[in-house]
Amino acid sequence: GQNIDQPTEMTATEGAIVQINCTYQTSGFNGLFWYQQHAGEAPTFLSYNVLDGLEEKGRFSSFLSRSKGYSYLLLKELQMKDSASYLCASSSSNTGKLIFGQGTTLQVKP
Amino acid sequence: DAGITQSPRHKVTETGTPVTLRCHQTENHRYMYWYRQDPGHGLRLIHYSYGVKDTDKGEVSDGYSVSRSKTEDFLLTLESATSSQTSVYFCAIRSQGDRDHYGYTFGSGTRLTVV
Repeated sequence: GQNIDQPTEMTATEGAIVQINCTYQTSGFNGLFWYQQHAGEAPTFLSYNVLDGLEEKGRFSSFLSRSKGYSYLLLKELQMKDSASYLCASSSSNTGKLIFGQGTTLQVKP
Repeated sequence: DAGITQSPRHKVTETGTPVTLRCHQTENHRYMYWYRQDPGHGLRLIHYSYGVKDTDKGEVSDGYSVSRSKTEDFLLTLESATSSQTSVYFCAIRSQGDRDHYGYTFGSGTRLTVV
């Protein structure tokens, strides 16, 4: 089966760093995705990890530990526009499908 | 960006009526998916397709059917709409190519209200 957990809500201050954690249990694990979704809009792709380690892409970085079933998304130098929901999703080679967590709503305050 | 459009964008319908949502893509992708998104539940897979006339159920398929008669169109039908099907529906395609585009690309969504 598949199960993904992430915090429901987080709050951070503009200019700060925030880490959003995600734990997963996925049969035939084949990668971990992070998506950003602003209110009323479609999710958009942020990152993909299939090997252990940190992937850095500008202000955003994503980390994966396959042995621990754990990932995090790190957002640096937070901006007000980063207020959004962040969706963790795991891919299964058994099914070829993405299964999503419920999402973490991040509020960035001045 | 992959060309993927959903129609309609908004719809209000009455309980018991059939409703069809359309997803159209212009990139010839093989895999297409229908999700619904509700507060507290995130995105949940309804049905998906891995080719013309090839479809399979997701985790919340009861009350829904799909059809894919052409590569570019994936239709989701609510056979007899209920209030519990009030939701935002997203279509997605599985991108192909380099690893940064291995994931899904989503349509803009359809907000469906069943009254």
